[in-house]
Amino acid sequence: AQSVTQLDSHVSVSEGTPVLLRCNYSSSYSPSLFWYVQHPNKGLQLLLKYTSAATLVKGINGFEAEFKKSETSFHLTKPSAHMSDAAEYFCVVSSDSNYQLIWGAGTKLIIKP
Amino acid sequence: EPEVTQTPSHQVTQMGQEVILRCVPISNHLYFYWYRQILGQKVEFLVSFYNNEISEKSEIFDDQFSVERPDGSNFTLKIRSTKLEDSAMYFCASGVSGSYNEQFFGPGTRLTVL
Repeated sequence: AQSVTQLDSHVSVSEGTPVLLRCNYSSSYSPSLFWYVQHPNKGLQLLLKYTSAATLVKGINGFEAEFKKSETSFHLTKPSAHMSDAAEYFCVVSSDSNYQLIWGAGTKLIIKP
Repeated sequence: EPEVTQTPSHQVTQMGQEVILRCVPISNHLYFYWYRQILGQKVEFLVSFYNNEISEKSEIFDDQFSVERPDGSNFTLKIRSTKLEDSAMYFCASGVSGSYNEQFFGPGTRLTVL
């Protein structure tokens, strides 16, 4: 069965410094992987997705993620944090048997001025 | 840019009451989904809907729950007799195709059962 582990419930960085949000997954086959972001009182927005093409995926707002099969990881990074990046981020893996999305617990990103 | 909308944003109800959560998917989308997130827990799949019928449902989606597309625009989730443990954020999503690549989410409805 698929599962997703987001290793940090909270990450706090200073504005202008790099962001790293960690995600590990388990899947019995080559999955599709996603990062979603949720700003306060807003819906879930797709940041980026990996679907077995290039392993380095670029998303919106300067975020990118690298699929590493050997490490079963799909960490989200951004070179320089902005105050507007403060939100909750969810790592998601596709189910291998249907169109369900399997969600991680979320990481709350806090940006310090 | 088209987006999925949900109403109400927050619903408070008494245990045992029926609630209907409403969603307006993006207009040309054909696949519809409900997810929920209990406070402090993961987002969980409830049900998917295509061609006026349920295509998949999770074990959470028992006889207490039902979905309907009553007209060409709305997609509703009905909870027949609410329980305290139904308190959660409920997210609607829609997609052009059945691919998990293309699920667009609404802002959610926070349901509080007292």
